[in-house]
Amino acid sequence: EVVLTQSPGTLSLSPGERATLSCRASQSVSSSYLAWYQQKPGQAPRLLIYGASSRATGIPDRFSGSGSGTDFTLTISRLEPEDFAVYYCQQYGNSFTFGPGTKVDIK
Amino acid sequence: QVQLVQSGAEVKKPGASVKVSCKASQYTFTTYYVHWVRQAPGQGLEWMGIINPSVGSTTYALKFQGRVTMTRDTSTSTVYMELSSLRSEDTAVYYCARGSCSAGTCYSFDYWGQGTLVTVSS
Repeated sequence: EVVLTQSPGTLSLSPGERATLSCRASQSVSSSYLAWYQQKPGQAPRLLIYGASSRATGIPDRFSGSGSGTDFTLTISRLEPEDFAVYYCQQYGNSFTFGPGTKVDIK
Repeated sequence: QVQLVQSGAEVKKPGASVKVSCKASQYTFTTYYVHWVRQAPGQGLEWMGIINPSVGSTTYALKFQGRVTMTRDTSTSTVYMELSSLRSEDTAVYYCARGSCSAGTCYSFDYWGQGTLVTVSS
């Protein structure tokens, strides 16, 4: 099973700041089959990024993904109030697994 | 727009079974796969399995094999997930999510249901 580790566990930032979230896999993720999801309290997850770097439909361009192999990054260039949430990475190259999440909260 | 609408919250006793439904609309039901993912209170996301609505074939996560059954009804565009031998650790929100698969490769989950809370308590 591919185990995903996310860091940091919590990121405390102010609106307008840049957020950098990390996702590391226990083995190489096939063909960059890595996605990022955003989840707000009481809501279902929402797809942000797929294929490591492609934005899903309707996702603002302040969200960007990068990386390959075992190391991936989600960057939010300038945090908006609605971006404070939990973010999960997921690999889908070898079955499906999720990371434990990174909470982005207001400083 | 694409919608996945799930059935309502359930309260079950240990040892019982629960069946959660997920009704799809605004897309061709048989052209996308459906996954089930659960989330225990305050915890992360856990993939349970996938069903191909076109032929009814399924793949279950090892952890749930023998306890989970996923089925579909093409006449109503509905997918079902039944979990048996419930225990307190199965208390969670259960989500269905749409995904695509091609030539043996499956991709990310682009639409999600609203979630169904299943509480297991004596």
